[in-house]
Amino acid sequence: EPEVTQTPSHQVTQMGQEVILRCVPISNHLYFYWYRQILGQKVEFLVSFYNNEISEKSEIFDDQFSVERPDGSNFTLKIRSTKLEDSAMYFCASKSWREGTDTQYFGPGTRLTVL
Amino acid sequence: LAKTTQPISMDSYEGQEVNITCSHNNIATNDYITWYQQFPSQGPRFIIQGYKTKVTNEVASLFIPADRKSSTLSLPRVSLSDTAVYYCLVGDGAGSQGNLIFGKGTKLSVKP
Repeated sequence: EPEVTQTPSHQVTQMGQEVILRCVPISNHLYFYWYRQILGQKVEFLVSFYNNEISEKSEIFDDQFSVERPDGSNFTLKIRSTKLEDSAMYFCASKSWREGTDTQYFGPGTRLTVL
Repeated sequence: LAKTTQPISMDSYEGQEVNITCSHNNIATNDYITWYQQFPSQGPRFIIQGYKTKVTNEVASLFIPADRKSSTLSLPRVSLSDTAVYYCLVGDGAGSQGNLIFGKGTKLSVKP
């Protein structure tokens, strides 16, 4: 069964550093998403991406965040200058549009720790 | 997405059937009901989706009454590995590219 993959599984960085989280969505999917989950809290939507541009973004997704699909397979989330409060699990998800369904497939996540 | 209400936690024992009910009084005509499962330190995983009546797959059953203001996820004969958080989501399933809005979910603890 196809699945979404994410690298690295765990990233430790110093406050103020840039990090890039990588995702490989399922190959025939068209919609891509990033979510985050701070320890013990809800899964929160960050951004959706379709047709090589951002479709929707949340208030969390400020100017420090950016997304890119640099080639036909990878989907990346960049945080330019990390803050302590960016420490969380970051999940990538992808979706294939099929009439009547709305199912997103999530990756295993990247645990980001900002020191 | 329509607001949902579900119990914060539930306890069960191995081999029992577990039913988790979700209320969604403001569900819209076009909305589908979708359930996700999340294990600790893993991404949410799609379990089942339905619009009305009953849907069954190899993992669970979903019961939706005629008024669609609630739904019940049924897990037959749970095992320890079913211990997870279960999320009920309601939204437009007809080709929506929208994001998912997760609540706090129901934390199911299965005991031996």
